[in-house]
Amino acid sequence: AQSVTQPDIHITVSEGASLELRCNYSYGATPYLFWYVQSPGQGLQLLLKYFSGDTLVQGIKGFEAEFKRSQSSFNLRKPSVHWSDAAEYFCAVDGGGADGLTFGKGTHLIIQP
Amino acid sequence: DAGVTQSPTHLIKTRGQQVTLRCSPKSGHDTVSWYQQALGQGPQFIFQYYEEEERQRGNFPDRFSGHQFPNYSSELNVNALLLGDSALYLCASSFLPGGGSDTQYFGPGTRLTVL
Repeated sequence: AQSVTQPDIHITVSEGASLELRCNYSYGATPYLFWYVQSPGQGLQLLLKYFSGDTLVQGIKGFEAEFKRSQSSFNLRKPSVHWSDAAEYFCAVDGGGADGLTFGKGTHLIIQP
Repeated sequence: DAGVTQSPTHLIKTRGQQVTLRCSPKSGHDTVSWYQQALGQGPQFIFQYYEEEERQRGNFPDRFSGHQFPNYSSELNVNALLLGDSALYLCASSFLPGGGSDTQYFGPGTRLTVL
């Protein structure tokens, strides 16, 4: 069965500092990979996705993620965070077919002024 | 272009009651998936509907059932509500040519509280 691990439950970053959120997945082949962001009480907004090809993918709001097959990782990065980036971030994997997305437990991002 | 819409926004029920949640997919999408997100957790897959059929379901009991209509909208029904069913219920839509995988776009969710 596929699984996703987000090792950091909370991360605190100063405004303007760089950010990296970790995601590791378990799946037999190369899955489809996603990062979503969720503001309090809201639905999920897609930040970026990886299906195939270039392992460095660009997303919205200045985010990027790098797929590393050897490490089974898909870490999310941003060079300079803004206070509006404070939210819950979820990494998800789709193994194909109709099994739906498998999500990690999320990382809560706190931005310090 | 409207995104995924869900109704109602909030719902309060008591144990043992039944509830129906509704979802309209993003324009051009033909597949609807439902997820349950408990407080402080990531969403968990309930089931997915494509061509008015349930394609696959996650680890949820038969109390959870669904339906997809010819216009691709969908309903999630939960019978015999338990306190543990309190959660944010998310609907996601996608377009699956040939039944493969594609990006899922989420609605704002329905917050269900069971007392």
